Amino acid sequence: SAVISQKPSRDICQRGTSLTIQCQVDSQVTMMFWYRQQPGQSLTLIATANQGSEATYESGFVIDKFPISRPNLTFSTLTVSNMSPEDSSIYLCSVVRGFYNEQFFGPGTRLTVL
Amino acid sequence: GDSVTQMEGPVTLSEEAFLTINCTYTATGYPSLFWYVQYPGEGLQLLLKATKADDKGSNKGFEATYRKETTSFHLEKGSVQVSDSAVYFCALSDQENFVFGPGTRLSVLP
Repeated sequence: SAVISQKPSRDICQRGTSLTIQCQVDSQVTMMFWYRQQPGQSLTLIATANQGSEATYESGFVIDKFPISRPNLTFSTLTVSNMSPEDSSIYLCSVVRGFYNEQFFGPGTRLTVL
Repeated sequence: GDSVTQMEGPVTLSEEAFLTINCTYTATGYPSLFWYVQYPGEGLQLLLKATKADDKGSNKGFEATYRKETTSFHLEKGSVQVSDSAVYFCALSDQENFVFGPGTRLSVLP
């Protein structure tokens, strides 16, 4: 398994501001993933973050809106920029472990944009 | 591309009832299959997995069998408890992609 922590656990933000979410893993991993879970919905992959290279974004997500940093093998940040109420979601980071690519998730960051 | 379909919720059961949550998948290769659980206010936890045909994953009284012939991975529990109330996600991994189903909300009433 993996122990993953996220900060903050929740936040309420004003429209037009930005929030940076931190994700810390208990041991080194090659790839880290950022997901969005809108209210009552399943998970949508935002991007994959590899250490030492640009993040790879999924269709519908762009770097200007969701810049990601991956400064080392145990840490990543996701910034939600110029927020609007539509960005209100749970944001989850995850890592893959094991031969069968099991994903392990952080506890999530619950964002509310007013 | 790969996809996962789950039965629509919400599912409401009385305590000690039998639970089945259906999951079917579409994949070109031989994916690994997973069930994740999300308790209220928490992140996703891996509940169980199966990595090849006819494998049975089990944990906390939950079971699911990898059925390649029907491309299914149905989740079952013989006697649910109030504490099992959560959202359950079926998922697959094929080494390149990780695909989640839409989730099924389970409510267990005392």
